[in-house]
Amino acid sequence: GAGVSQSPSNKVTEKGKDVELRCDPISGHTALYWYRQSLGQGLEFLIYFQGNSAPDKSGLPSDRFSAERTGGSVSTLTIQRTQQEDSAVYLCASSLASQVLHFGNGTRLTVT
Amino acid sequence: KQEVTQIPAALSVPEGENLVLNCSFTDSAIYNLQWFRQDPGKGLTSLLLIQSSQREQTSGRLNASLDKSSGRSTLYIAASQPGDSATYLCALSNDYKLSFGAGTTVTVRA
Repeated sequence: GAGVSQSPSNKVTEKGKDVELRCDPISGHTALYWYRQSLGQGLEFLIYFQGNSAPDKSGLPSDRFSAERTGGSVSTLTIQRTQQEDSAVYLCASSLASQVLHFGNGTRLTVT
Repeated sequence: KQEVTQIPAALSVPEGENLVLNCSFTDSAIYNLQWFRQDPGKGLTSLLLIQSSQREQTSGRLNASLDKSSGRSTLYIAASQPGDSATYLCALSNDYKLSFGAGTTVTVRA
């Protein structure tokens, strides 16, 4: 079946602009994660959604970052007033009951 | 805070050789451990998941072991092939949040 889909695959934006990154998880997966992978760095946890529970936002690096998940399915990660240090690959993953994670191919964000 | 270390950072072997990838962690109170593969420009693909109560998992040429007492996991890939060239990451879960190592980049030479 279809895997996790992320869009856009690449995004180039000017410093100070807002960006929205989209994630379509696997149908029926209740858990959804956002991770960030910077060049030469490991994966950094950003946010976790599980069903209708309040999300775990403890990994969001600043209040410029926010995320929502509508109808328990599609999720959008929004970065306001982008900075150069926000340049990274943003990965979305979904799973059933926090077991095997299925990742999308990511969105490569470049802030110029 | 869970610290996950993968050594070596990079590895190059001739085709046919067995691969041994190491992962060490500081907190043994884990829920499960996963090994992932990442190809350039792609997301992560789950290879094996070991539950906290398990000692190993096998899938085809892949075998992963887990020793919580020593804080170590090892991924074995038998009879390596050029198609095994990728970055391999281990990740430990404490409930739902995964802590990732930085990965080992493997090159299998034909």
